[in-house]
Amino acid sequence: DIQMTQSPSTLSASVGDRVTITCRASQSINNWLAWYQQKPGKAPKLLISKASNLDSGVPSRFSGSGSGTEFTLTISSLQPEDFATYFCQQYKSYSSFGQGTKLEIK
Amino acid sequence: QVQLHESGPGLVRPSQTLSLTCTVSGDSITSDVYYWSWIRQLPGKGLEWIGYIYYSGITYYNPSLKSRVTISVDTSRSQFSLKMNSVTAADTAVYYCARDRGTTVVDQWGQGTLVIVSS
Repeated sequence: DIQMTQSPSTLSASVGDRVTITCRASQSINNWLAWYQQKPGKAPKLLISKASNLDSGVPSRFSGSGSGTEFTLTISSLQPEDFATYFCQQYKSYSSFGQGTKLEIK
Repeated sequence: QVQLHESGPGLVRPSQTLSLTCTVSGDSITSDVYYWSWIRQLPGKGLEWIGYIYYSGITYYNPSLKSRVTISVDTSRSQFSLKMNSVTAADTAVYYCARDRGTTVVDQWGQGTLVIVSS
């Protein structure tokens, strides 16, 4: 099984900040990585697939990078609607998710 | 815009079978591009992909759940279903149905339904 580890678990930031969330895989997954955003009581929303491909309609302040075992999700300038929980997902071998990073208002 | 809606009992007794149905609208379940997935979110924990089905009936399951799970499709009703047998309290979760790109990457989700396993 491929284990996905996100850091930090919680991140406090302010509107306008640049933030980065890291996701590490227990073995190489090439670039078979997706990122999702989830708000309380809602289903997750796909942001990025294949490590860096922004899904349709996702604001350009979101970006993803990385390959192999280390990946990052960056939000260049936080907006109020970005405070949520973010999950990474590997799909190199079946599928597994990270435990989530809660982005909260400082 | 595709819409997915889960339905089924919110309470299941331990050792019984959990059964959920997802109704798809706004898109054809017989699309040759998409697959149809079930994903669950355990309380206070992360997400777990359960499996997916193609309209032709081809299935792909999470190995950790495969022995207890069956996903089926009814194209005439634009529905697909999940059955999970021998449930325990550890199967208590919000269950989502979703549209899958065939890679387990999901781009459209239902609103989710909470299933509690309890006597």
